[in-house]
Amino acid sequence: EVQLVQSGAEVKKPGESLKISCKGSGYSFTDYWIGWVRQMPGKGLEWMGIIYPGDSDTRYSPSFQGQVTISVDKSLNTAYLHWNTLKASDTAMYYCARAGVQQLVSWLDSWGQGTLVTVSS
Amino acid sequence: EIVMTQSPATLSVSPGERATVSCRASQSVRSNLAWYQQKPGQAPRLLIYAASTRATGIPARFSGSGSETEFTLTISSLQSEDFAVYYCQQYNDWPPITFGQGTRLEIK
Repeated sequence: EVQLVQSGAEVKKPGESLKISCKGSGYSFTDYWIGWVRQMPGKGLEWMGIIYPGDSDTRYSPSFQGQVTISVDKSLNTAYLHWNTLKASDTAMYYCARAGVQQLVSWLDSWGQGTLVTVSS
Repeated sequence: EIVMTQSPATLSVSPGERATVSCRASQSVRSNLAWYQQKPGQAPRLLIYAASTRATGIPARFSGSGSETEFTLTISSLQSEDFAVYYCQQYNDWPPITFGQGTRLEIK
């Protein structure tokens, strides 16, 4: 069974850094792109970017380029989403999700449970 | 960036009736379109990919149609568990992959 398990909820202050994680299991981790999706409170889904664990090829939405960093550790079957400097507007639920086809950016067929990030002074 | 526009924003339907959600792309996405269902407090769930292919385990009452710029998600006979928010997503032209703004399906 394909599973993506995300790290737990975080409460941070503006200006702090943060890295959240997404651990994949039940499939060949290096063969499928993993994306990150933001959902601000009461709002819709926003695609942030995507990484191919096989070679760490990473693509970002222009809206998020320079705001976050997506990375991966193949040895741990884990993808990460990192902020250097959090803002209150980063308060949201963040989901990781796996592409549905090997080696291709496609639909997202398996989702993590989400990580709630709250940024407040 | 391809803009995905869903209509209506909110749809009120009685259980047992049919529900239809529309999704329009600002330019052709061929058949590279997916639909997701999201219930409160849950992650999105894949329903349909490649415009009309049901994902594993999705009941036959869910169907998708369309191509290029016009797409439709139809739920043939609404069950209580179908009341949720539905999103379309294009993956033809990226980055960025883009989602529609969502359609809330509520009980009439």
